[in-house]
Amino acid sequence: EIVLTQSPATLSLSPGERATLSCRASQGVSNNLVWYQQKPGQAPRLLIYDASNRATGIPARFSGSGSGTDFTLTISSLEPEDFAVYYCQHRQSFGQGTKLEIK
Amino acid sequence: EVQLVESGGGLVQPGGSLRLSCAASGFTFSNSWMTWVRQAPGKGLEWVANIRQDGGEKYYVDSVKGRFTIYRDNAKNSLDLQMNSLRAEDSAVYYCALQKITAVTHTWFDPWGQGTLVTVSS
Repeated sequence: EIVLTQSPATLSLSPGERATLSCRASQGVSNNLVWYQQKPGQAPRLLIYDASNRATGIPARFSGSGSGTDFTLTISSLEPEDFAVYYCQHRQSFGQGTKLEIK
Repeated sequence: EVQLVESGGGLVQPGGSLRLSCAASGFTFSNSWMTWVRQAPGKGLEWVANIRQDGGEKYYVDSVKGRFTIYRDNAKNSLDLQMNSLRAEDSAVYYCALQKITAVTHTWFDPWGQGTLVTVSS
């Protein structure tokens, strides 16, 4: 089973800053990597699939990159509504999440 | 609009049973893999089970094998999760989700229902 490790566990930034979240797979997964956003009390929302494809309705400030074992979710300029927990996923495995909090 | 609405959660004693349901609308349910994912309080996401379009294939995380059973009724656009022999560690919000599969390893969950809370406690 592939293990996904996200870093950092918590990221403290201010609105307008750039956020870079990492997900590392224990073995190569090609581009089969997905990102979700979860806000408190809400269900997860699909952001990125196949490592770099934005889901319908996701703003262009969200982008995904990577292949093999190392992946990145980038938020180019943080909006107040972007502060949330972000999870990566491959098949039935999820990373442990990165909490993006306001500095 | 795709909608998934879970129900059936609640408080149950250890060793007890509970059946969760998920009502689907806004898409062709019978053409879709469906999945259950859970989230313990303050914790991350854990995939629980999924089921093929016709119900002919079902898969479970090891920790629930032999205790949980996933069902679907395509005539009613409904997905169920029968949970038996419940343990404290099964306490979580349970989400149903539409599972998109474009190739053997290309899969994601979208959208998700709002979740239903299961609490296993005496």
